[in-house]
Amino acid sequence: EDKVVQSPLSLVVHEGDTVTLNCSYEVTNFRSLLWYKQEKKAPTFLFMLTSSGIEKKSGRLSSILDKKELSSILNITATQTGDSAIYLCAPRSTQGGSEKLVFGKGTKLTVNP
Amino acid sequence: GAVVSQHPSWVICKSGTSVKIECRSLDFQATTMFWYRQFPKQSLMLMATSNEGSKATYEQGVEKDKFLINHASLTLSTLTVTSAHPEDSSFYICSASRLRPDITYEQYFGPGTRLTVT
Repeated sequence: EDKVVQSPLSLVVHEGDTVTLNCSYEVTNFRSLLWYKQEKKAPTFLFMLTSSGIEKKSGRLSSILDKKELSSILNITATQTGDSAIYLCAPRSTQGGSEKLVFGKGTKLTVNP
Repeated sequence: GAVVSQHPSWVICKSGTSVKIECRSLDFQATTMFWYRQFPKQSLMLMATSNEGSKATYEQGVEKDKFLINHASLTLSTLTVTSAHPEDSSFYICSASRLRPDITYEQYFGPGTRLTVT
């Protein structure tokens, strides 16, 4: 059975802090791993990681995949209140010719002013 | 680009009735559409995957006769919750994907539909 564990489940920080969110996974025929940010409604895409050890960056956010350890981290530096959201990790797996995303429960990040 | 809409954004219905939720890709053709359900404080759980013109593939534990999915075109998929019960109350989110020439996998989410069954 596919399994995705994110930690911590919840995190409260002050503006300007740096945070690291963790994701570990066990999925069938892993293809890639995606990170999403979910505020009030639907998730918005952040990163897709396919290769180990190659950091992807977008502004203050960065992410890296470790296929040997079956894990990924998402870093946010100099956090802002607008970063408050649930961050979802979703490895992509293939089974029987079809592909799907398997979502973790997410990390709820709260950034206080 | 890559906008996905859902309609309605919220709906309240009585127990025993059926509710239809639409998912549209507005500016691209979606090869595949996905339907998820999200309960409070839980993650998105995939319910089914549908490709245009073919029957949907349901995840284990999801009743295909209760959650009817139709994917009639490359821009529209519908989910009908039949004979709804209060335990079907949830947040239903669709997503649409397309295969880019560089084989980048992208899945774009709709804004979701909040269903409340009374």
